[in-house]
Order: sequence, then C-alpha cells, then structure tokens
Amino acid sequence: DQQVKQNSPSLSVQEGRISILNCDYTNSMFDYFLWYKKYPAEGPTFLISISSIKDKNEDGRFTVFLNKSAKHLSLHIVPSQPGDSAVYFCAALDAGKSTFGDGTTLTVKP
Amino acid sequence: DTGVSQNPRHKITKRGQNVTFRCDPISEHNRLYWYRQTLGQGPEFLTYFQNEAQLEKSRLLSDRFSAERPKGSFSTLEIQRTEQGDSAMYLCASSFRAVPDTQYFGPGTRLTVL
Repeated sequence: DQQVKQNSPSLSVQEGRISILNCDYTNSMFDYFLWYKKYPAEGPTFLISISSIKDKNEDGRFTVFLNKSAKHLSLHIVPSQPGDSAVYFCAALDAGKSTFGDGTTLTVKP
Repeated sequence: DTGVSQNPRHKITKRGQNVTFRCDPISEHNRLYWYRQTLGQGPEFLTYFQNEAQLEKSRLLSDRFSAERPKGSFSTLEIQRTEQGDSAMYLCASSFRAVPDTQYFGPGTRLTVL
C-alpha cells in the first residue's frame, strides 16, 4: 500500500505560467511534508516543507498548500522557469522516517 | 565541505558476489539514511542511523543487506550474494535532527547486477 502518491507522472507548462504539482497521502500520522527536486545524475535536493499544523508555506516562487481533511498537498511554482525542469518528489515524515512519492517530471518550455 | 559523497558512483557485479558502498555525510550531521531507488519510483527507505546507532531498518530489507556506521561518521552498506533484483540506485542522505528533518542527499551509487 503506497502511503504517498503523486498521480501525475509528468507535467508540461509554458515559461512564466504557474506549475501545480499534487500529492496525496493516506497516513494521518505524518507530521511534516517536504518537496524535493531532482536533476539527472544528482541526488534529490530539499525545496520546501510544511508542518501538518499549517495550511500554507511560501518561499519565493514556491508555495506549498496542505489540505489535511483531504489528505492532499500541492506545490505551486510561479512564475515557472526553464531551470525548474526536474523531477519533483513529495515526501512525508512520521517519527523521523521519510516516505516518498514516485515523483512528477516537470518540463517548463521556453 | 561539499556535501554528502558516495563511492563508488557506479558498480557492476555478477550475481552472487558481495558489494559494499560507502557514504560520507556532511560532517556535523548526526543522522544518516540509506535509500534504494528504482526507475520511475521514489526513494525507498532502507535504514537510518543516529550517530553510530542503527535506529530503524525497513521490513523490506532482506538479511543479505547490512549497514554500519562505526564511529558515527561515514557509513557502509553491504549487499551479500547479490541478485538481479538488487539492481538500483542506492542513495545516502544526512541530516542534523532538525524539525523538520531536512535530508541532504548524495549523488547515489548505481548498482547493476548481471
């Protein structure tokens, strides 16, 4: 049973527009959620996080929204840039253990 | 300090052989994690250490896998009697036990079992 799901394997957007990446989870014990970005031949790098007691966290062009009742979170990137093209992983924390989704490949077209 | 390093970056081995990977975390980080990632999937938790203590091990990890972190610094992951299903990217990450636990990943070791 996959506890963290990213149902869209890929997303393509035009430069300057908004990118919205989605993530669903099933375990209500998760207390933090994080987004990581991964370029080819590199390990994932941390992007932004949100506590389960909050519903929004913003850092520059990146905003994460959490809807606990729906067990859903999303990452908004605005405006999107070609350098944002990468694989984005959603991860959820429970007592120090991270569970990752399978990732969404974002392509930002110039 | 340039971040988390892993060696080797690539390893090709024959089925049945033993392999060992090394991870050097960021120096002040006291937590170290091992993950396995296959194509099209996210990192799958294997085990983690706080200092030299191995605190959790995935139930999915067979007894052919063993990890050590003898002095609370670098760590090794050994796979004995490798099988073709062990072919994957093995990722190491470290963190400083912050809240949230933001992990810094190495570039990974790609294992191919022939």
